[in-house]
Amino acid sequence: GAVVSQHPSWVICKSGTSVKIECRSLDFQATTMFWYRQFPKQSLMLMATSNEGSKATYEQGVEKDKFLINHASLTLSTLTVTSAHPEDSSFYICSARVQEGVRDTQYFGPGTRLTVL
Amino acid sequence: DAKTTQPTSMDCAEGRAANLPCNHSTISGNEYVYWYRQIHSQGPQYIIHGLKNNETNEMASLIITEDRKSSTLILPHATLRDTAVYYCIVRVNAGNNRKLIWGLGTSLAVNP
Repeated sequence: GAVVSQHPSWVICKSGTSVKIECRSLDFQATTMFWYRQFPKQSLMLMATSNEGSKATYEQGVEKDKFLINHASLTLSTLTVTSAHPEDSSFYICSARVQEGVRDTQYFGPGTRLTVL
Repeated sequence: DAKTTQPTSMDCAEGRAANLPCNHSTISGNEYVYWYRQIHSQGPQYIIHGLKNNETNEMASLIITEDRKSSTLILPHATLRDTAVYYCIVRVNAGNNRKLIWGLGTSLAVNP
């Protein structure tokens, strides 16, 4: 149980285009999902927290107009990188929160490798 | 910033126990200790978490000191597939969002 998928697993795009990444919880419902970014040899950096049916909460320094997050259902959150530039090239990872009594855990997707040319 | 301190890297022989330490001296009473691992170019994998009692599951054991200022993750019989970066995280309470703040982790190499 607690499987999270991401699509696509990798994407290459031209500078200036927009890219959408999907995050799905396959066997559970997630009111809260998280989006992270990871540069080579660095740790995960939380970008934003996505709550179903409401606006995402962005971390300091993350441009909300550039990284659009939509969490329209309990099993799907999307991250759209608008007007992508080479510096946006990174490994994007989502997670979904599972709450069952005192158990409160995040389960992660396999990640999406974005390369902007 | 991350509130944990871990060694940068460790080695372990295949078949032996891997003991990964973590210091979290500023942990507060209601914060849990979580362990995740990340195999190269994959998303992190949840391993185990605990509050103050020792915990065990099919993957590992978590030993938390009585003062809760440090913990040790134990992989009882390490295999080559356990080679990964292991993250010890103290969960921050940020309203209802319960963020996880990630440090650099310990890069564990399991050697044949």
